[in-house]
Amino acid sequence: AQSVTQLDSQVPVFEEAPVELRCNYSSSVSVYLFWYVQYPNQGLQLLLKYLSGSTLVKGINGFEAEFNKSQTSFHLRKPSVHISDTAEYFCAVSDLTGFQKLVFGTGTRLLVSP
Amino acid sequence: GAVVSQHPSWVICKSGTSVKIECRSLDFQATTMFWYRQFPKQSLMLMATSNEGSKATYEQGVEKDKFLINHASLTLSTLTVTSAHPEDSSFYICSAKVNTEAFFGQGTRLTVV
Repeated sequence: AQSVTQLDSQVPVFEEAPVELRCNYSSSVSVYLFWYVQYPNQGLQLLLKYLSGSTLVKGINGFEAEFNKSQTSFHLRKPSVHISDTAEYFCAVSDLTGFQKLVFGTGTRLLVSP
Repeated sequence: GAVVSQHPSWVICKSGTSVKIECRSLDFQATTMFWYRQFPKQSLMLMATSNEGSKATYEQGVEKDKFLINHASLTLSTLTVTSAHPEDSSFYICSAKVNTEAFFGQGTRLTVV
């Protein structure tokens, strides 16, 4: 079974500042890793994913994440945030077999202030 | 990317009634769809895996008689909350996979009064 830990429930940051949202996972098998963004009362939108290959993954809206196998981490970063980045961010993992069910972390609310 | 449409976006119902939520894959066929439930300020919890033409697979602790799932075609899965109670009030989200990527519906806010 897999599990995902997002230690920061909320991250306040000023506009144009850099941000890092932390994600650690636990799994006995190889996994795929994902970051999703959720705006209020909406579904989830994929920001980026790691399947294999380069450990630095670039996604939409200027976000990137780095897969670190030894630390079992997949932290999300953005060098300069905008007010519009205010949302809930979920890290998720899935195994490589069967239906590849997604297991989500508890989410991190990014609050960008002017 | 692929589009998953969920309907309705929100619904208010009286306690004891049933509510049906639809999840459609608009531009692709989905043999498997997933139903999640999200409580306020919490993560998504997988409720069940919906399989076209066969019975859904429910996660532990989810009442299959209360949350009826039907996946009658390759583009439509429905979740029916039967005999709804206030504790069933929540945000329900469906998703479907294309290769390794999951696409999510916009969610349904259910309020039972």
